[in-house]
Order: sequence, then C-alpha cells, then structure tokens
Amino acid sequence: EVKLLESGGDLAQPGGSLRLSCAASGFTFNNYAMTWVRQAPGKGLEWVSSISSSGSSTYYADSVEGRFTISRDNSKKTLFLQMNSLRVEDTALYYCAKVSLPPGRYLDHWGQGTLVTVSS
Amino acid sequence: EIVLTQSPGTLSVSPGERATLSCRASQSITSSYLAWYQQKPGQAPRLLIYGGSNRATGIPDRFSGSGTGTDFTLTISRLGPEDFAVYYCQQQYGGSPRYTFGQGTKLEMK
Repeated sequence: EVKLLESGGDLAQPGGSLRLSCAASGFTFNNYAMTWVRQAPGKGLEWVSSISSSGSSTYYADSVEGRFTISRDNSKKTLFLQMNSLRVEDTALYYCAKVSLPPGRYLDHWGQGTLVTVSS
Repeated sequence: EIVLTQSPGTLSVSPGERATLSCRASQSITSSYLAWYQQKPGQAPRLLIYGGSNRATGIPDRFSGSGTGTDFTLTISRLGPEDFAVYYCQQQYGGSPRYTFGQGTKLEMK
C-alpha cells in the first residue's frame, strides 16, 4: 500500500523559513517523480513544485520560484520542500503526491497534508 | 499558460440522479494529460479519471470522463451520498510534471 506522510508544517513569520518532509512507503520511491500541491484555507488546489525521479530536474510554479526548493533523498525515501522568504499568501495545507509514470504523469497517490501558517 | 475553467461552481443534484461537470481549457490540450480528482471535506484529493476517460483503480463505473480539445466533462451517473464532494480537473503541461488545476465544482445534495 502506498503511503505518503508529510511533516514540518508550523507557524512561521513573514520572511521566515520552513522545511517540509514527505516520507514515502509502499512503492519504489526512486522510480517516480514527486510533487507538492497546496491548498489555501477554503480555496482550490495549486501546484507548487515537482521533482524528477533522480532529482536532477526540478519544476516550480511562478508564485514560489526563487523562494522554494524541492529536493529528495532516495536512500531515505523522503521528499523535501525548503520554503524561504515566506509570505502570508503561502499559508496553506501542503500535500505531497506521487506522480504516475509517463506519459500520463497524473497524481495517483496523495498524503494527508501538513499545515503551514504564515503570520506575524 | 493554460487556464482551466470549471462550471458550474456549485451543482445541486438529488441522489440517484446524474451529474455533469464541465472543464474548459483556454486552449486546446491533449486529453491524455487531463485528469479529474475528488476531494471530500477534511480529506486529500483522490484521483478519479486520468487520460481524459480512464478510471483510476477502484473507481466505480458510474464515473466517466470524456471530451477533446478544450471541452471536457465528468459525468457521475446514479449519484450516491458518498459522491457529494468537490471535483477538480487538472492538466499537465506536455511531458513535464507541471500542472494546472481548475477552480473546482462543488457537488451538493439537493
């Protein structure tokens, strides 16, 4: 059974930093790209960032480019999201999701999310 | 950037009836890269349909996806009480894991 468990969400001040983690199990982690998607309170889904299976390629939404860094440790089956220069508008529930194999690349499994609150 | 517009924003349907949800893209997209997700309150999204019309594992056959070009539809026949939720369409950019979501349609019980 595929399991994704996010952690690291917390209250942070504007301009601060947080590091999110997503521990994966139940599949061959290093074979799959991974993604972060966020959902602001009462709002819809917003793609944040993706990383290839090897970690050599990364992709970012314009809203987080230059502030967030996605990475992974395949030996520990863990996905990360380093969030710097946080803004109030980054407040959201952050989900990690497994990306299916090409060509589809849909998000076939999701974690339960970790809450990031940015406020002074 | 391709924008996905879902309609209606809220759809009220009685249990046992059919629901038809629309997703319109600002430019033509490949149906292979179009997916639908269901999200219930307090839960993570769940993949329903991928490749425009393929049901994900464990999804009942009352869920069906269709469409080409810029207009896509999710149809839920014979609505059960567990189907009332928010539904999102999503498209993937070409061959890379970059995504856009529609704003969602809330399916509520009439």
